[in-house]
Amino acid sequence: QVQLQESGPGLVKPSETLSLTCALSGDSMRSSDWWSWVRQAPGKALEWIGEISHTGTTNYIPSLKSRVVMSVDMSKNQISLQLTSVTAADTALYFCARGADYVWHMWGQGTLVTVSS
Amino acid sequence: QSALTQPASVSGSPGQSITISCTGTSSDVGGYNYVSWYQHHPGKAPKLMISYVSNRPSGISNRFSGSKSGNTASLTISGLQAEDEADYYCSSYTNSRSYVFGTGTKVTVL
Repeated sequence: QVQLQESGPGLVKPSETLSLTCALSGDSMRSSDWWSWVRQAPGKALEWIGEISHTGTTNYIPSLKSRVVMSVDMSKNQISLQLTSVTAADTALYFCARGADYVWHMWGQGTLVTVSS
Repeated sequence: QSALTQPASVSGSPGQSITISCTGTSSDVGGYNYVSWYQHHPGKAPKLMISYVSNRPSGISNRFSGSKSGNTASLTISGLQAEDEADYYCSSYTNSRSYVFGTGTKVTVL
């Protein structure tokens, strides 16, 4: 069964760095894949954070670009997200998604991150 | 980039048809045929239901259909079933080389 699983600390202190990993199991990363991170703050709409290709080419949403770093490790079949200088506004359910050609064909279940001291 | 506008909730009885709208601008929905729809049961992974406005991926019931007119895309669920009760989100590629989601619609089967 092919699936994505996000993981990381559920609690991050304000001003610190949020670090999440998304692992692909049951399949291998492909050169056609683009990997996205999407988040959903409580009571809010889904928000696309950015994407990364298998070569490491990235595309981030402008509002978060200064604080986001995404990376990919094809040998480990995983991608990572780092979001620096977090505030309470970064509290959200974070999803990773596997996409190609402008469509996300597979998603993880999401991991909840709370920013609080 | 503002979220695409969806109705907060839509309901229908089993067997009925419902339609969820997704309104954007010429910079997103109206400018590209890269509109997708996702079904999300809370606590589970979102699931792709429609891609490229009206394309149904393999394995998705033909009760789900999509369309677009101008800056508004729509998802229609016909023959509504209890299992269709979920949150639904549209998404679109934008002219800022990014993606934007809809505000989300909670579908209730009465």
